Amino acid sequence: DAGVTQSPTHLIKTRGQQVTLRCSPKSGHDTVSWYQQALGQGPQFIFQYYEEEERQRGNFPDRFSGHQFPNYSSELNVNALLLGDSALYLCASRPLAGGPSEQYFGPGTRLTVT
Amino acid sequence: QKEVEQNSGPLSVPEGAIASLNCTYSDRGSQSFFWYRQYSGKSPELIMFIYSNGDKEDGRFTAQLNKASQYVSLLIRDSQPSDSATYLCAVNYNDMRFGAGTRLTVKP
Repeated sequence: DAGVTQSPTHLIKTRGQQVTLRCSPKSGHDTVSWYQQALGQGPQFIFQYYEEEERQRGNFPDRFSGHQFPNYSSELNVNALLLGDSALYLCASRPLAGGPSEQYFGPGTRLTVT
Repeated sequence: QKEVEQNSGPLSVPEGAIASLNCTYSDRGSQSFFWYRQYSGKSPELIMFIYSNGDKEDGRFTAQLNKASQYVSLLIRDSQPSDSATYLCAVNYNDMRFGAGTRLTVKP
């Protein structure tokens, strides 16, 4: 049983560009959350999707947007990249009926903005 | 004021000792509390969660919660070098809020 998968593993972008990160949830999971983890910090909640809609959002600007597809996979889009967007982006999935204790993280995408 | 605070460490303990990791949180409405372990370059892995005041034990790990003091702790007994990692405290209210993590080193 595959766990949460993310692509790409690493990405280098230039300031002002746009980026799309992808996540496939663990089998049986329908809820996907995205987190940003800067170096030396804990993950920060960006937003959560289920039933193809954004249900909760953290304190992130509108440059950060997402999408969830009917197969529960998800994308994170970041527009007008800033140097400060350099971070590890983590996707986590869980069953909606389960609690956060059933949340599993993917391996992350390391984004570097130059 | 940060919502979830942890000592950044590093915390160094000898092999076989008890490692004690602490966390305080600011939102009294928080319902559930989690400890994650994160090895360098890897993603967080859940090791313990606790919902009620008191202690919860799982193998060498004990989580302690005191809602009145807004305090959560993790004890690791018989620490092993493989326990060397960053430990993240997380608190769930409407969404999951993480502390910055405490780096633990267990020396052989």
